[in-house]
Amino acid sequence: KAGVTQTPRYLIKTRGQQVTLSCSPISGHRSVSWYQQTPGQGLQFLFEYFSETQRNKGNFPGRFSGRQFSNSRSEMNVSTLELGDSALYLCASNAGEQRGYGYTFGSGTRLTVV
Amino acid sequence: EDKVVQSPLSLVVHEGDTVTLNCSYEVTNFRSLLWYKQEKKAPTFLFMLTSSGIEKKSGRLSSILDKKELSSILNITATQTGDSAIYLCAVFGGKLQFGAGTQVVVTP
Repeated sequence: KAGVTQTPRYLIKTRGQQVTLSCSPISGHRSVSWYQQTPGQGLQFLFEYFSETQRNKGNFPGRFSGRQFSNSRSEMNVSTLELGDSALYLCASNAGEQRGYGYTFGSGTRLTVV
Repeated sequence: EDKVVQSPLSLVVHEGDTVTLNCSYEVTNFRSLLWYKQEKKAPTFLFMLTSSGIEKKSGRLSSILDKKELSSILNITATQTGDSAIYLCAVFGGKLQFGAGTQVVVTP
């Protein structure tokens, strides 16, 4: 079956602009989580959506937002980009179980802010 | 505040060596600890641990959880160059929280 698809793969934006990233989960998966990865910081949890509702949220400023559609596809938006937002953004989908198991990651979107 | 700490942050070993990676955590509502391998971009799942003292093994990789000490180790024996990667520890307590990872480089 198809894996988790993230688009675009690479993105270059200017400070102050906004950006929207997309994540299509594995068919049948209802949960999508988003992570920011920067060198030395590991994966920082942004938020999780389950059945179109935000189920969990990390400690990121309000410039970071997301949503999930009825087909479980999710989008993440970052407004007023800062240089420090340059990172690999990963999403992961799972069936929605609350055990930690079954998360499948996409290949990420590499965002560069100049 | 919840935290997941991995050590060391990086290491270089020769092929054939054994590697031990550490993960300690303080996470409310702990349910499971997971290990992932990240070679390029997408982390891939290695193990999930929920019970103390039970070792999970897959080939040359093994892992064990100590819930009393709030820690876990990942062992890689007879390392190969293909083991070079970032190894990520994550703890699930309602959401998946990651440590900073350990960069492992295996030289021929």
